[in-house]
Amino acid sequence: GAGVSQSPSNKVTEKGKDVELRCDPISGHTALYWYRQSLGQGLEFLIYFQGNSAPDKSGLPSDRFSAERTGGSVSTLTIQRTQQEDSAVYLCASSLEARGLQAYEQYFGPGTRLTVT
Amino acid sequence: QQQVKQSPQSLIVQKGGISIINCAYENTAFDYFPWYQQFPGKGPALLIAIRPDVSEKKEGRFTISFNKSAKQFSLHIMDSQPGDSATYFCAAGPAYQKVTFGTGTKLQVIP
Repeated sequence: GAGVSQSPSNKVTEKGKDVELRCDPISGHTALYWYRQSLGQGLEFLIYFQGNSAPDKSGLPSDRFSAERTGGSVSTLTIQRTQQEDSAVYLCASSLEARGLQAYEQYFGPGTRLTVT
Repeated sequence: QQQVKQSPQSLIVQKGGISIINCAYENTAFDYFPWYQQFPGKGPALLIAIRPDVSEKKEGRFTISFNKSAKQFSLHIMDSQPGDSATYFCAAGPAYQKVTFGTGTKLQVIP
């Protein structure tokens, strides 16, 4: 079956513009996660969804970042008024559930490389 | 208390050698410890995972060793191959909360 897909694969934007990043999880996966990976760095948790609800938004770096998920499927991460420090690879992952051991069996998409000039 | 410390940051191993990556955690509530493998341009992929009720888990050439009292766990790659060259992330967490990832180890296996 299809894996997690993300679009666009690359995005170059000017400082101050808004961007939307999209994630299509694996069909049937109720949990969806967003991470940020800066060059040579580890994975920074941003937010996760169980269904359409986001129980934990603690990782969002600022109020310029927001995410939504509709229909328990596709999710969009929006960054408003982008700054150069937002440049990174944004990774999306999904899992069957956000509880228990299944929360650790996350399947990652290929990421969106965001460059803010 | 949510940190997972991973070392080394980078590692070069000869083909056929043993690659060892170490992680340490503080939060005693953590009870699941997965490792992820990431190739350039790809997202991480789950490699192997361990629960703290066992001290070792082996899958093929990959072994996780777990020391609960020291709050440390490590990944051993036996007979390392050039195809193992990737970035490896350890992770940890309690089974009901978000995963905390280590900072990653870039492994290069040279022929």
